Formats: sequence, C-alpha cells, structure tokens
Amino acid sequence: DSGVTQTPKHLITATGQRVTLRCSPRSGDLSVYWYQQSLDQGLQFLIQYYNGEERAKGNILERFSAQQFPDLHSELNLSSLELGDSALYFCASSLQGVNSPLHFGNGTRLTVT
Amino acid sequence: QKEVEQDPGPLSVPEGAIVSLNCTYSNSAFQYFMWYRQYSRKGPELLMYTYSSGNKEDGRFTAQVDKSSKYISLFIRDSQPSDSATYLCAMTGGTDKLIFGTGTRLQVFP
Repeated sequence: DSGVTQTPKHLITATGQRVTLRCSPRSGDLSVYWYQQSLDQGLQFLIQYYNGEERAKGNILERFSAQQFPDLHSELNLSSLELGDSALYFCASSLQGVNSPLHFGNGTRLTVT
Repeated sequence: QKEVEQDPGPLSVPEGAIVSLNCTYSNSAFQYFMWYRQYSRKGPELLMYTYSSGNKEDGRFTAQVDKSSKYISLFIRDSQPSDSATYLCAMTGGTDKLIFGTGTRLQVFP
C-alpha cells in the first residue's frame, strides 16, 4: 500500500459532463502530481502542486484544472468531457519535489460514453 | 525524438532467468533515475531509486546508470511469475517534471 488514496476507483459518465477526481497524499508528503495513462500510452504528466501552490504544468488541457487544498488533498476537475478523455488518472505524492521518489495511488478509471 | 525511449516488449522469459530491462534518454541534465513496476489495473510501484551514475542493488533487483551513454538498466535475477508486470523507467533533472518511459511488458512463465 503506497499510502496515496484516490477516489472514486471507477467513473462512467457521458460526453459533455464534468467530473471531479480526488486524491489524498501520503502522510507528510507536500507535493501532489496528476498523471493520465491511456491505452498504449505511457504516463503523461498533467500537473504538480507543492504545498498548495502550482509547481509545474505538463500537457494539461484547458478543460482540465486542479487544486491542492490546505489539508494537502488535491482534486482534478475534468469538464466538457470527450470520448478521448477515457483513461486511467493517477495521483502521486512525494515528500518535496521530483528529486524525491513519487508514490502512486491505484488510479481512477474514467470511461466517457 | 522522445526524451526517454523504452522498448515496449513484450519480453517473455522462463522462471529463473535473468531479465534485463533498459531505457535510453537524451537529456544530459537528468540526474535522478527510478524504476517502477505496474501490475494490471494498479498504480506504479517504486522499485529502485538512484542518483547519478553507478549501481544499486536491492534483493533480486539491480539498477545501473551509465550517464556517459545516457543508458539505464534494471536487472532481475531469478525471475518469478510474480514479476510479470510492466516496468517503467522514469527520470528527472531534479527541478523539472519526472519523465516516464512507455514501459516494457514482462512475462515470466513457469
């Protein structure tokens, strides 16, 4: 068990809808990362937060947004969903930045129909 | 050209074999190197974490980094069916984002 908790485990929704994915980092970790993993694709970095502040941005679409709250949990919001957004969304946390090991949750599987 | 290249496999080996998994990279600023194991429908699990060049051993696993060749390896000794998974390399310069390879699927058959 990595100590990173993601909810929900599965999400099925329709195109055009909006969903929120939630992540609780390991106790003591200040950084939270979001990754997207599609079939035949590697892990695509979306965004990183450190102690409530946005630290780095990857290939995150404008329809997607995230935040990290004072208790350090994070939420990833996906809106105007398209079929191509169907994927596994992983949250990871680390003690500080990317020079400390990332620990991943078991992901949220999003299916857009 | 991708920053990190990894052969997707699949790699199929008999139980007890020595497995060699590799990644190449192009960014000479990378200093931190990691290997993750991912079982189907699970999150990646950290296996090895190394800084700069050299070898690191942990049980049946050995990670090697050759910065001069921009090449990293993960060796698995006495492979077991439970090692069947996708293995992902990852690396970073330390201040920027962590870049992952696409993963190598490994199958160890009894």
